[in-house]
Amino acid sequence: DGGITQSPKYLFRKEGQNVTLSCEQNLNHDAMYWYRQDPGQGLRLIYYSQIVNDFQKGDIAEGYSVSREKKESFPLTVTSAQKNPTAFYLCATRDWDTGELFFGEGSRLTVL
Amino acid sequence: GESVGLHLPTLSVQEGDNSIINCAYSNSASDYFIWYKQESGKGPQFIIDIRSNMDKRQGQRVTVLLNKTVKHLSLQIAATQPGDSAVYFCAENIRQAGTALIFGKGTTLSVSS
Repeated sequence: DGGITQSPKYLFRKEGQNVTLSCEQNLNHDAMYWYRQDPGQGLRLIYYSQIVNDFQKGDIAEGYSVSREKKESFPLTVTSAQKNPTAFYLCATRDWDTGELFFGEGSRLTVL
Repeated sequence: GESVGLHLPTLSVQEGDNSIINCAYSNSASDYFIWYKQESGKGPQFIIDIRSNMDKRQGQRVTVLLNKTVKHLSLQIAATQPGDSAVYFCAENIRQAGTALIFGKGTTLSVSS
C-alpha cells in the first residue's frame, strides 16, 4: 500500500522531555514536510526537506529539529525548548508532477 | 504571516443543499491552489485543485472557482451530504517562494439531516 505512515498516533510526554515523531513514506517523493495544527487553526509549517540530507526551517521551527538521512524518512524531534508542544502534527510529501501535497494521518502530542 | 484566509470559520447547511466555502488570498504570485477536507483526528485529504491559468474546475459534486481579479477562491459542494461534514482548507502555492503550500485557517462545514 502506498502512502505516508506517521507514528505514534498518540503520544504523551512530561515537560522537559524530548520526543521524536516518525514519518515514513513509500511514494518515492523527494519533498517532505512537517506541519503543526492547533485547535481551530490552520496548518503551520515547521520544517521541510526538498531532498535527502537537506532541510529548511519553516515558519515555526524554534524548539524542533529534523533529519533527512533517507528519502523515505523525515523524523521530527520536539525538544524541551518548545514552550507549547501540545498539538496535532502532520507529515506530508509532495508530488512534483502534479503539485499535490499528500498527508499522513497525524500524531497527537500531549504534554502533561 | 498567512496570505490565505477564509471568510467564515463555520458553515451550517441542510442535507441536499449546495454549500459554498470561500477563501481569499493576497499573493498575486500564487499559481496553484488546492482544497483539502479534514475529518476529525485525521490528516487532510485532497479534494480538488486549480492552476492560475484556469477559472473553473469541476470534480465529482465539487467545483472550484478562481477569480484572480479579486484574489478569491471558492469551493462549491453540490447536494451536500452528512459525510461532507468536516473542516475545509484552501492552500496556495506561491511561485518561487519555496516548496511548501500555505494554508488558511479552515471552515468547519456542518451538515444536518
